[in-house]
Amino acid sequence: EIVLTQSPGTLSLSPGERATLSCRASQSVSSSYLAWYQQKPGQAPRLLIYGASSRATGIPDRFSGSGSGTDFTLTISRLEPEDFAVYYCQQYGSLCSFGQGTKLEIK
Amino acid sequence: EVQLVESGGGLVKPGGSLRLSCAASGFTFSSYSMNWVRQAPGKGLEWVSSISSSSSYIYYADSVKGRFTISRDNAKNSLYLQMNSLRAEDTAVYYCARERRGATRNDYWGQGTLVTVSS
Repeated sequence: EIVLTQSPGTLSLSPGERATLSCRASQSVSSSYLAWYQQKPGQAPRLLIYGASSRATGIPDRFSGSGSGTDFTLTISRLEPEDFAVYYCQQYGSLCSFGQGTKLEIK
Repeated sequence: EVQLVESGGGLVKPGGSLRLSCAASGFTFSSYSMNWVRQAPGKGLEWVSSISSSSSYIYYADSVKGRFTISRDNAKNSLYLQMNSLRAEDTAVYYCARERRGATRNDYWGQGTLVTVSS
């Protein structure tokens, strides 16, 4: 079982700032099988990034993903008010699992 | 437009059973693997089960193995989750999600259905 650990648990930033979210895997994950999701209260998750670095359809280019092996990063270059939400990483390298989430809150 | 609509949630007593359904439209259902993912109140996402397009491959999380059964009816464009021996810790919103292969991800999600296990 691959365990994904996200950090930080909560990130407090202001609109316009840059956000860097981390996802660390307990064992190596192929980049093809690492995705990121955004979830707002009362809504289903929304796919942001797949294959570690490819943006999903309709996702603004301020969202970017990077990383390989056991360390992956989601970066939001310039925060908009609608970006404050919870973010999850997901792996499909061995069955499927999610990280515990990072809450991005307004400072 | 791709749509996934879950139904069948509700209140059930511990030890009871419930069958969830997910009606799919807007895409060729028989060509895609499908997943169930759940989220306990105030908690994170937990993968529950996956089924391949022709039902040849089925996988479960350890937490539900032996109690839950995933199935699909491609003629009816429907996905199911039969949940038996339910426990309080199964209380969650259950989402069905389409699995896109290649760089595997869940590209479409339903709105979820709430299952509450309580006496």
